[in-house]
Amino acid sequence: GAGVSQSPRYKVAKRGQDVALRCDPISGHVSLFWYQQALGQGPEFLTYFQNEAQLDKSGLPSDRFFAERPEGSVSTLKIQRTQQEDSAVYLCASSLGLATSGGGNEQFFGPGTRLTVL
Amino acid sequence: LAKTTQPISMDSYEGQEVNITCSHNNIATNDYITWYQQFPSQGPRFIIQGYKTKVTNEVASLFIPADRKSSTLSLPRVSLSDTAVYYCLVGDKHPSNTGKLIFGQGTTLQVKP
Repeated sequence: GAGVSQSPRYKVAKRGQDVALRCDPISGHVSLFWYQQALGQGPEFLTYFQNEAQLDKSGLPSDRFFAERPEGSVSTLKIQRTQQEDSAVYLCASSLGLATSGGGNEQFFGPGTRLTVL
Repeated sequence: LAKTTQPISMDSYEGQEVNITCSHNNIATNDYITWYQQFPSQGPRFIIQGYKTKVTNEVASLFIPADRKSSTLSLPRVSLSDTAVYYCLVGDKHPSNTGKLIFGQGTTLQVKP
């Protein structure tokens, strides 16, 4: 596709349910990021993949959060036993090369999945 | 990564030039300055990036003074469609940095007719 896609766009879960959020990055992009964005706040980093390797998961808020990218393309963010504080927009971004936050390797973001936990 | 400070909100009118200033007093030698734009219900979108002096593209200009402790994003002749949140970020290219972006609260720009 032309850009990063995410599904579902909206997800409502009851507290305690497990959810799985999907990200389809731009084809050929090596780097993939997940961010969490609370209402009125900027996105916060969750985890980073270089191809299929998860190189940084320092932003995952608890062991209920798990991400994978088994074939180096599509990624899934799974949240187990969802809590109300997990309600947020979950953004996926990809970049062509090895990621740096400095010059080059612009990150392309998807539209996000809005998760509401009741 | 260097912390950034920018105004929470700004108002403007169509056709005006808008300048959003970001301070980053602790910017490191290797840090670049990047601006992203975010519309409601969308992910952030890269606008412009620079290291020093001035950078211009088809969307905006970025002015960086010699001490690099601040930067100014300039949007020429804004339209209603420029209403969005604008984020200023700084970061470096060190190999140990996995490239995660550190966003602040951003500046909410409201363009009025």
